[in-house]
Amino acid sequence: DAGVIQSPRHEVTEMGQEVTLRCKPISGHDYLFWYRQTMMRGLELLIYFNNNVPIDDSGMPEDRFSAKMPNASFSTLKIQPSEPRDSAVYFCASSLKRIYEQYFGPGTRLTVT
Amino acid sequence: AQSVTQPDIHITVSEGASLELRCNYSYGATPYLFWYVQSPGQGLQLLLKYFSGDTLVQGIKGFEAEFKRSQSSFNLRKPSVHWSDAAEYFCAVGAYTGTASKLTFGTGTRLQVTL
Repeated sequence: DAGVIQSPRHEVTEMGQEVTLRCKPISGHDYLFWYRQTMMRGLELLIYFNNNVPIDDSGMPEDRFSAKMPNASFSTLKIQPSEPRDSAVYFCASSLKRIYEQYFGPGTRLTVT
Repeated sequence: AQSVTQPDIHITVSEGASLELRCNYSYGATPYLFWYVQSPGQGLQLLLKYFSGDTLVQGIKGFEAEFKRSQSSFNLRKPSVHWSDAAEYFCAVGAYTGTASKLTFGTGTRLQVTL
């Protein structure tokens, strides 16, 4: 079975540009999570969805960040405009029923110059 | 609010030696506890979990962890480490925050295995 799929795997962009990260959860999973990992702050939950509905977005750092889940098999995390401090690895994860047993994607390494 | 402390940032062990990674948590109720492993360039993978019952839980890849309520600990152990175990290990607590359920991760322990 395919795991969580994220694209792109690497993204380099200039400050001020819009960045869109994509995630395809494991088929049938009803929870989807977006995390950010940095050396300074570790692994942080940004937002999560249940059955395509955002449940907790308290981790979204500011209005420049937005996330959508238009259907059960696709989610996006958008940063506009991007800033150098947004440089991090962004992970998507999904789970089935058990919210804590999460399956992580390989991540997208974002570099904003 | 819940929190997780992993006091060891980096540990080096020889292949074949035993391993113990420390994890302490803070949470007002009975916690749900987890260990995840992250290999270089990869996402996190669930190693094992504790919800209730037997305080010694077995996981994948020969790992086990023991929940000790009196010490607020959930240490990860392996009797004999393999070179392929070199990775970063994250302890996490799952809890309801009042508005939503979430996993809170520790800062991780990087394991290096020498041959």
